[in-house]
Amino acid sequence: GAVVSQHPSRVICKSGTSVKIECRSLDFQATTMFWYRQFPKQSLMLMATSNEGSKATYEQGVEKDKFLINHASLTLSTLTVTSAHPEDSSFYICSARGAGGWDTQYFGPGTRLTVL
Amino acid sequence: QKEVEQNSGPLSVPEGAIASLNCTYSDRVSQSFFWYRQYSGKSPELIMSIYSNGDKEDGRFTAQLNKASQYVSLLIRDSQPSDSATYLCAVPYSSASKIIFGSGTRLSIRP
Repeated sequence: GAVVSQHPSRVICKSGTSVKIECRSLDFQATTMFWYRQFPKQSLMLMATSNEGSKATYEQGVEKDKFLINHASLTLSTLTVTSAHPEDSSFYICSARGAGGWDTQYFGPGTRLTVL
Repeated sequence: QKEVEQNSGPLSVPEGAIASLNCTYSDRVSQSFFWYRQYSGKSPELIMSIYSNGDKEDGRFTAQLNKASQYVSLLIRDSQPSDSATYLCAVPYSSASKIIFGSGTRLSIRP
């Protein structure tokens, strides 16, 4: 099946620093990429939808100035958590959707962010 | 009412038995439905999709859809310990611009 990579897989940072997470579709072109956040024992919460070459669409309650999303190409999207705080500690997961609709949505392995 | 609802569990099933996972959704015009499996600390993986009323079988998995009742279920036959995971039901918004996940049902298969 299709492969989506995320980097880094795990990051620990100090409060106030910024962290960039990369999401790449390795063997297909993703028309849309999605960024999710998952707290322990909770479900996936969609943060934003990212289309190549256009501004991301953020879900209600997600601060666009704090979670910067850049979708520079059909295979790469980045999420930057700016001025991270301990409450931002979570499991961040991206997914990439190909031209075949939701049947062609594949998830990256996730990035565990811990902010001290 | 939540858009996609699941019983959080945990659901404990003996090895070899049938595990039954249920999901209800609120959007009457939804046309496609998905089941994902998520192991602890990992990201979700798609295991079944269903679009039409009735049953769809794939190996030990059977998805069942009843659009009139706005209900979709997943049956796992001959449950194995490796099936122990959280199962997420997902339904795209009617605009198909995003997909909504249920809170997930934690399934535990006991040897």
